[in-house]
Amino acid sequence: NAGVTQTPKFQVLKTGQSMTLQCAQDMNHNSMYWYRQDPGMGLRLIYYSASEGTTDKGEVPNGYNVSRLNKREFSLRLESAAPSQTSVYFCASSEAGHGRGANYGYTFGSGTRLTVV
Amino acid sequence: ELKVEQNPLFLSMQEGKNYTIYCNYSTTSDRLYWYRQDPGKSLESLFVLLSNGAVKQEGRLMASLDTKARLSTLHITAAVHDLSATYFCAVDPDWSNYKLTFGKGTLLTVNP
Repeated sequence: NAGVTQTPKFQVLKTGQSMTLQCAQDMNHNSMYWYRQDPGMGLRLIYYSASEGTTDKGEVPNGYNVSRLNKREFSLRLESAAPSQTSVYFCASSEAGHGRGANYGYTFGSGTRLTVV
Repeated sequence: ELKVEQNPLFLSMQEGKNYTIYCNYSTTSDRLYWYRQDPGKSLESLFVLLSNGAVKQEGRLMASLDTKARLSTLHITAAVHDLSATYFCAVDPDWSNYKLTFGKGTLLTVNP
């Protein structure tokens, strides 16, 4: 099925370990996003990419890095995990970008539930 | 800084009743989105509202957008248990380079 695929679905890390969350979309969307969801906080933007080769910080970028590998793939890396990064991470994509809004909305992946102990 | 405020944050209602969730935002935008999230699941798109006065309906849910008042509403008619979920509104104004900013969500519980 067309959509946004995230891996892994669950992960437990020890403090200080690193890992990369993978995201791929097959809808030929321009823009891709990483959000984190914490209880009572809604979803907060970590990083986004308006097109292949570009990335920019969102509201809560500290402790994360991203790579827009190609138009389909956008990965999120935690270099040295901390307990404060325990969260559910969602990748999303949209046709928005470069003067064009998301007239068809944003599509979300199924999420990665990350626990840092 | 763009702020998106939903109220109420918690809503417990009986089956068969009507209610409205409000979403206020602090900047100009012609695009507003409503999502539903079931526990432990991803976000499912409900409505995409793209202009002032836009109204969309799907089953027992109806969403509207008033860009002048910077307000969107999600109206629930004759609630049923299956509507129990968390509902989010989100805005992506042009000046933000089309990044979604979410409200904190409204946890709706529909009781028999």
